[in-house]
Amino acid sequence: AQKVTQAQTEISVVEKEDVTLDCVYETRDTTYYLFWYKQPPSGELVFLIRRNSFDEQNEISGRYSWNFQKSTSSFNFTITASQVVDSAVYFCALRANSGYSTLTFGKGTMLLVSP
Amino acid sequence: DTGVSQNPRHKITKRGQNVTFRCDPISEHNRLYWYRQTLGQGPEFLTYFQNEAQLEKSRLLSDRFSAERPKGSFSTLEIQRTEQGDSAMYLCASSSQTSGRYEQFFGPGTRLTVL
Repeated sequence: AQKVTQAQTEISVVEKEDVTLDCVYETRDTTYYLFWYKQPPSGELVFLIRRNSFDEQNEISGRYSWNFQKSTSSFNFTITASQVVDSAVYFCALRANSGYSTLTFGKGTMLLVSP
Repeated sequence: DTGVSQNPRHKITKRGQNVTFRCDPISEHNRLYWYRQTLGQGPEFLTYFQNEAQLEKSRLLSDRFSAERPKGSFSTLEIQRTEQGDSAMYLCASSSQTSGRYEQFFGPGTRLTVL
């Protein structure tokens, strides 16, 4: 069985602060895929990034960066110089290679960025 | 490239009534998923289609729930004899098997309220 834990329920920061969202996962599969999605107040889930279990290279995309560490089963997401538009609920998700291609989501972290 | 669309966006019904939701995936995507999301939770998997075949159903999907994808294009999710506990956001997502990528793209969801 797969499990994703996002221990931070809610984070509040002031604009321009850096913020890291934690994600810890559990799976018995040796091949798996990790994702981050953003859900703004409008409600639609927006895909941000996919990471394969065999690729531990960290990734940076503009103000966003992701730190994948298999040794600690973590896939953390950092927003640098946060902006008000970053306010949303962020979900980490896991897809195991066995079985079908469904996603197991964490409970999400609500990020509030105030001006 | 149009995204995933869902109709209706909102549905209010009385307990005991039947409701049906529709999902139109991204046109070239052969995989289609239904998820349910309640307040403060991440999406939970309900069922999965590859083309017109329903390949997996969650234990969350009681006998009152049925989903179809008759021609491998759009899908419908029907809930019979609705209960107040069915109130949730119902999300549809699609992905492409042939692309070799595994990210799912979500629609805006149908918010169901059962009175």
